[in-house]
Amino acid sequence: QQPVQSPQAVILREGEDAVINCSSSKALYSVHWYRQKHGEAPVFLMILLKGGEQKGHDKISASFNEKKQQSSLYLTASQLSYSGTYFCGTEMTGGFKTIFGAGTRLFVKA
Amino acid sequence: EAQVTQNPRYLITVTGKKLTVTCSQNMNHEYMSWYRQDPGLGLRQIYYSMNVEVTDKGDVPEGYKVSRKEKRNFPLILESPSPNQTSLYFCASSFSGGGDEKLFFGSGTQLSVL
Repeated sequence: QQPVQSPQAVILREGEDAVINCSSSKALYSVHWYRQKHGEAPVFLMILLKGGEQKGHDKISASFNEKKQQSSLYLTASQLSYSGTYFCGTEMTGGFKTIFGAGTRLFVKA
Repeated sequence: EAQVTQNPRYLITVTGKKLTVTCSQNMNHEYMSWYRQDPGLGLRQIYYSMNVEVTDKGDVPEGYKVSRKEKRNFPLILESPSPNQTSLYFCASSFSGGGDEKLFFGSGTQLSVL
């Protein structure tokens, strides 16, 4: 079952923060986050595993709440290069089938 | 350079004319997968393969075939394309398909079926 992402779209000014949420009705083993620029392939950002963890690099971080089957992606002090569509991909125990959400379109303006 | 290569990048065809989209990876990955991307629906899995000669259906397999005769190649076959298969297609691979591995994506194939 496809995870639900929110919001569907967000517009930011440079330097502002954003949070993108991903929730599933199924018990999850892992959550993946990818960013896709228009007309390009999705690019990997990070994976979070069950057990409840938080990860981050630079100004992009994420958390995974195993009890709620929810993950959030945090973008701080956004840059123009952050514009794109963000997808979460969820894996249930067993792997092999990463199911992606519908995506969140993020636009950062100067 | 580690990469997943898809061909062609763009394809326009007519209803019913068989076509094949090729996918090749040079990372010795066991796991490969095909996705289609449609506006507002995200990426939906068509088929995946856990190793040579081992394939299984994803969420939207109808109208598609795949084969995995060699580890590096995973072609997507549309035997009788229809307009509802107009979409952006991505091939992806990872080492073994485990949920803790990132997917490497190809550059995509934009298919239009008239």
